[in-house]
Amino acid sequence: QVQLHQWGAGLLKPSETLSLTCAVSGGSFSAYYWTWIRQPPGKGLEWIGEINHIGGTNYNPSLKSRVTISIDTSKNQLSLNLTSVTAADTAVYYCVRPFKKYSSTSLDYWGQGTLVTVSS
Amino acid sequence: QSALTQPASMSGSPGQSITISCTGTRSDVGAYNYVSWYLQYPGKAPKLMIYEVSNRPSGVSNRFSGSKSGNTASLTISGLQAEDEADYYCSSYTSSSTLVFGGGTRLTVL
Repeated sequence: QVQLHQWGAGLLKPSETLSLTCAVSGGSFSAYYWTWIRQPPGKGLEWIGEINHIGGTNYNPSLKSRVTISIDTSKNQLSLNLTSVTAADTAVYYCVRPFKKYSSTSLDYWGQGTLVTVSS
Repeated sequence: QSALTQPASMSGSPGQSITISCTGTRSDVGAYNYVSWYLQYPGKAPKLMIYEVSNRPSGVSNRFSGSKSGNTASLTISGLQAEDEADYYCSSYTSSSTLVFGGGTRLTVL
């Protein structure tokens, strides 16, 4: 049974850096395009970006200048960093494993979600 | 990238069928058969219901079906049940190698 457990700071001040980590257990880590999604309170889903098992990344153009996704294959973990946060970055952040290997077009296994609030 | 267009809300009675639309462009929905649909209950993570336009993952009820015509994809739920009341999101792969979501549709079962 694939499980994704994520953690990180839930309250940030404007201009700080958001950092989240997601640990994957119960399944293969390689060959998947690990993905981060966020959802502002009461709003829809937004794709943040993805990383493959060899470290290749792809980001949402609207966030690209501020976001970094990384992986640690020795620990089966992935991380998200988002710099210079503002109130607009307040959201529930999810780490996600796609349904198929070598593809990120459909997202199957989701972390429990982490609410990150940006407030002064 | 612009969000895909979904109706904000829809409703139906138990036993009825409803169809939720998801309209994109020639650069996303119209270009690829990589449309997915997700169901989300309040406070929960989304659940994959349909992938690659019309395929159901194991365990998803056959009351859920997907299709696509041109730049518009659709999710049909037949034999509506109370448990189907939720938010539904579509997504599509794009020509920029990104993923874009719809704004979501809140389905109410009357």
